[in-house]
Amino acid sequence: LAKTTQPISMDSYEGQEVNITCSHNNIATNDYITWYQQFPSQGPRFIIQGYKTKVTNEVASLFIPADRKSSTLSLPRVSLSDTAVYYCLVGDRTSGTYKYIFGTGTRLKVLA
Amino acid sequence: EAQVTQNPRYLITVTGKKLTVTCSQNMNHEYMSWYRQDPGLGLRQIYYSMNVEVTDKGDVPEGYKVSRKEKRNFPLILESPSPNQTSLYFCASSWGGEETQYFGPGTRLLVL
Repeated sequence: LAKTTQPISMDSYEGQEVNITCSHNNIATNDYITWYQQFPSQGPRFIIQGYKTKVTNEVASLFIPADRKSSTLSLPRVSLSDTAVYYCLVGDRTSGTYKYIFGTGTRLKVLA
Repeated sequence: EAQVTQNPRYLITVTGKKLTVTCSQNMNHEYMSWYRQDPGLGLRQIYYSMNVEVTDKGDVPEGYKVSRKEKRNFPLILESPSPNQTSLYFCASSWGGEETQYFGPGTRLLVL
């Protein structure tokens, strides 16, 4: 099972770009990398997903190097409302199982 | 509106008193899963289901049961709750086991 490692916390100021890196050394060939955002007392919410290189949507970008052993979530020009916990998730579809390990996440605090 | 619902949202019970937390989704998703979230431990998967009558253990299945008799419902059963099952529980669903999961609002359980 591919486990993920992320920084426990990060601080940033409004308007800055924030990059959160996730390490997943044991990622399997078929695994996708997915990032979620969670606000207090709410369920996680999907942000972005990728397999390799770069993916961009309206809220974030995801950079994945060729070896896929890590990934970086990039949040452009953060605001106070981006204060949340961000989880990196790597799926395990080997042997027909669909177990997921979320890890402890990165607590991002955006300061005014 | 596409959503995952859980009931109850809050529950206080006593050790040994059987309880069920319901989960329902209206997106016709095949995959459903239960997670528990504890401070410092992130989200941990309890059980998941690939389809009706197909369930499997996640990382922390001890003390829990699930059933999937209908595609839309995936109840979590605690036959004999103990204080170490005090936690915040989330149900999630997705298409065919993909990592893009939709989460419910959570159920906060306190076992005395």
